Amino acid sequence: DTGVSQDPRHKITKRGQNVTFRCDPISEHNRLYWYRQTLGQGPEFLTYFQNEAQLEKSRLLSDRFSAERPKGSFSTLEIQRTEQGDSAMYLCASSTDRRGYTGELFFGEGSRLTVL
Amino acid sequence: AQSVTQPDIHITVSEGASLELRCNYSYGATPYLFWYVQSPGQGLQLLLKYFSGDTLVQGIKGFEAEFKRSQSSFNLRKPSVHWSDAAEYFCAVGANTGNQFYFGTGTSLTVIP
Repeated sequence: DTGVSQDPRHKITKRGQNVTFRCDPISEHNRLYWYRQTLGQGPEFLTYFQNEAQLEKSRLLSDRFSAERPKGSFSTLEIQRTEQGDSAMYLCASSTDRRGYTGELFFGEGSRLTVL
Repeated sequence: AQSVTQPDIHITVSEGASLELRCNYSYGATPYLFWYVQSPGQGLQLLLKYFSGDTLVQGIKGFEAEFKRSQSSFNLRKPSVHWSDAAEYFCAVGANTGNQFYFGTGTSLTVIP
């Protein structure tokens, strides 16, 4: 169990460019979450996958955002036409609904995005 | 509506002093409650969780928390703070049925020598 890994850890981009973040969850976890965290705030829910199905998306996730989890393993979060307001830490977490498990989230170290 | 309130934005304590971080929640069903800690530039690490049973739960690093249903609270405590405890602390409420996790805005802890 190597934990949740995210790549890249830091991304600096110019406004209008596209960026993609990758998350590799804990291998036996079937649930995967994306959160956004801005300075001084708690994590805000963006989207949630159960296996490969995207079951819920937050209103925060505008049309410029898209997330996939094609084989129910790793996930990608793409932001198109980035804006300065997209600057934040993007956190990935995984979990499982395995019997007896209490469902806490295991977080990666995050991908920090800076949009110039 | 579900929500988590952490009324203290920032707390400063002396090393060796006791600590209590407050958390109040609003949740329609029986909540699962969590405390996470975040060091600068890092992800969130689970300190402890409550889902049923004994309302006083023990976590890692000497932390404990007490669930009080009547007060809708889940305060985090530590009897003697260490300098390495300086970090951001987040309370969260959720259920094990899927996506419903809600985080507070966090309490930043500073520890002075």
